[in-house]
Amino acid sequence: GDSVTQMEGPVTLSEEAFLTINCTYTATGYPSLFWYVQYPGEGLQLLLKATKADDKGSNKGFEATYRKETTSFHLEKGSVQVSDSAVYFCALSRDTGTASKLTFGTGTRLQVTL
Amino acid sequence: ETGVTQTPRHLVMGMTNKKSLKCEQHLGHNAMYWYKQSAKKPLELMFVYNFKEQTENNSVPSRFSPECPNSSHLFLHLHTLQPEDSALYLCASSQDRLAYEQYFGPGTRLTVT
Repeated sequence: GDSVTQMEGPVTLSEEAFLTINCTYTATGYPSLFWYVQYPGEGLQLLLKATKADDKGSNKGFEATYRKETTSFHLEKGSVQVSDSAVYFCALSRDTGTASKLTFGTGTRLQVTL
Repeated sequence: ETGVTQTPRHLVMGMTNKKSLKCEQHLGHNAMYWYKQSAKKPLELMFVYNFKEQTENNSVPSRFSPECPNSSHLFLHLHTLQPEDSALYLCASSQDRLAYEQYFGPGTRLTVT
């Protein structure tokens, strides 16, 4: 079945450091890929998405590129801020013909310090 | 109110209690979902409703009973829960069940004692 694997956290960085959170996936067909973010005490929010190979999703300084050859969708940001501290979830969505099903990774907690 | 709202935000209940979780979406969506979020585990999809009809039940124990009276409201009725049911319960909605973008509520933190 479909699965998403993320690097285990927590990831601890100083403000203005470069961020990479790795994500790889296993799926049949051609899934769409997502990064969701969950701030403390809140639900998940869609951060960015890519719907086909070589697409780059971007939002709020975060980027991720859909790499079909490596089945990866790594999240990057050039300069993190304390306000980026949250849990980040990689996810894929695949059309089964009758529904679009989201499969999530376990999440990676990011802690950014001054 | 905008987006997806959930009440209560926190709930503590004994194993013999009966309680309900409520979700409301103000996005005009037609599909709604219940997820369970436990520590160090991926989100687990529990139920899917599309146009008020249940389209998916991922082998969820019968002590969880969903109800969808209309496309804007979703309930999760709880009875005789176990301590391992303690988790964050998230509601989400999407335009319909074929839409891949889902919008999540803040969740209900449930503790079963």
